[in-house]
Amino acid sequence: GAVVSQHPSRVICKSGTSVKIECRSLDFQATTMFWYRQFPKQSLMLMATSNEGSKATYEQGVEKDKFLINHASLTLSTLTVTSAHPEDSSFYICSARDQGQGAWGGTEAFFGQGTRLTVV
Amino acid sequence: SQQGEEDPQALSIQEGENATMNCSYKTSINNLQWYRQNSGRGLVHLILIRSNEREKHSGRLRVTLDTSKKSSSLLITASRAADTASYFCATDRGNTPLVFGKGTRLSVIA
Repeated sequence: GAVVSQHPSRVICKSGTSVKIECRSLDFQATTMFWYRQFPKQSLMLMATSNEGSKATYEQGVEKDKFLINHASLTLSTLTVTSAHPEDSSFYICSARDQGQGAWGGTEAFFGQGTRLTVV
Repeated sequence: SQQGEEDPQALSIQEGENATMNCSYKTSINNLQWYRQNSGRGLVHLILIRSNEREKHSGRLRVTLDTSKKSSSLLITASRAADTASYFCATDRGNTPLVFGKGTRLSVIA
């Protein structure tokens, strides 16, 4: 099946620094990728939809300047947490669907392994 | 915004027993999907059921969908300790990202 690779799996950073998380579709093209955030024992909350070659679409309440998303190619989207603070500590997960099956509906989503971010 | 609501939130059963998880949602859907998440990992797709389907099987998994009640259930038969994980339903409206329910944490005790 299709594979989505997310890196790093775990990162610890100091308050005020920035952290970049990469999400790659390894064997399919994805013009659209999705970034989720998950708190312990809770569900996935959609943060933003990453669109190749254009601006990301952010969900209400998500700070665009805080969570910078870049989708420069059909296989790579990045999420940069800028000026990180302890409250940004969380589990971040990306997902994508096989473009060949249609960007949106009718197919399963493939998820990265997730990134555990700890801001100290 | 979250749409799906699973119940129970947590379920603990003995190995060999069946586990049933329910999901309710609020709007019309194109399909409904179930995912599994092991602790600290990404999600893995289990099964997809389309809005015009009522029941679907995959190995030890059985999923039902009742669009009139806006609900779905996931049944895992003959559970194993390795089935211990969180299970999420996700609704797909066809032109929007998947929206996940709150999940059910399943513990299968050997």
